Amino acid sequence: GESVGLHLPTLSVQEGDNSIINCAYSNSASDYFIWYKQESGKGPQFIIDIRSNMDKRQGQRVTVLLNKTVKHLSLQIAATQPGDSAVYFCAENKWNNAGNMLTFGGGTRLMVKP
Amino acid sequence: SQTIHQWPATLVQPVGSPLSLECTVEGTSNPNLYWYRQAAGRGLQLLFYSVGIGQISSEVPQNLSASRPQDRQFILSSKKLLLSDSGFYLCAWSPLGQGDEKLFFGSGTQLSVL
Repeated sequence: GESVGLHLPTLSVQEGDNSIINCAYSNSASDYFIWYKQESGKGPQFIIDIRSNMDKRQGQRVTVLLNKTVKHLSLQIAATQPGDSAVYFCAENKWNNAGNMLTFGGGTRLMVKP
Repeated sequence: SQTIHQWPATLVQPVGSPLSLECTVEGTSNPNLYWYRQAAGRGLQLLFYSVGIGQISSEVPQNLSASRPQDRQFILSSKKLLLSDSGFYLCAWSPLGQGDEKLFFGSGTQLSVL
């Protein structure tokens, strides 16, 4: 089946630098994408989402970019802080008769060095 | 506001023992409900989802079952646990309807089968 995957399993950045986490998806029919942050021992938390009719969306210190031509999604974190250390998951949402079905990527671990 | 409660937070069970994990949602009606499992350092695997009371769909064959006895209650069970059932179990909900509902996750249950 189609799935969402990630390029980098681990990303280490210096505090204050910008981080970029990448995600590739294979389902061209996916119309909605979400980034989640999961801290150790906790459930994933929603960060930001983007619809397929957009190519960029900004939040507080985070930006999601969507390139439908190459089926690529990225999460950019500005001025990375120690509290940003976590595993980040991208997910694609394809609507079916059962409702909201998210397919998650394998996750990227972000480590922020002080 | 909506909240999701999941318990227990941690559980250690012997092989062959039964399992019951409970999840409840407050502040919303007719939610879609989900059970995910996450192996250590891995992504999220959808186990079950439910679009209404008594309606359960299973994504993968396994030693587990799910039930939804009430609108906002979702239970994950097993009659006899296997070692391979160890993992981090996450309950999640999304609003019923069409489109791009986000998933909201509980805090998870770390299950260790020994």
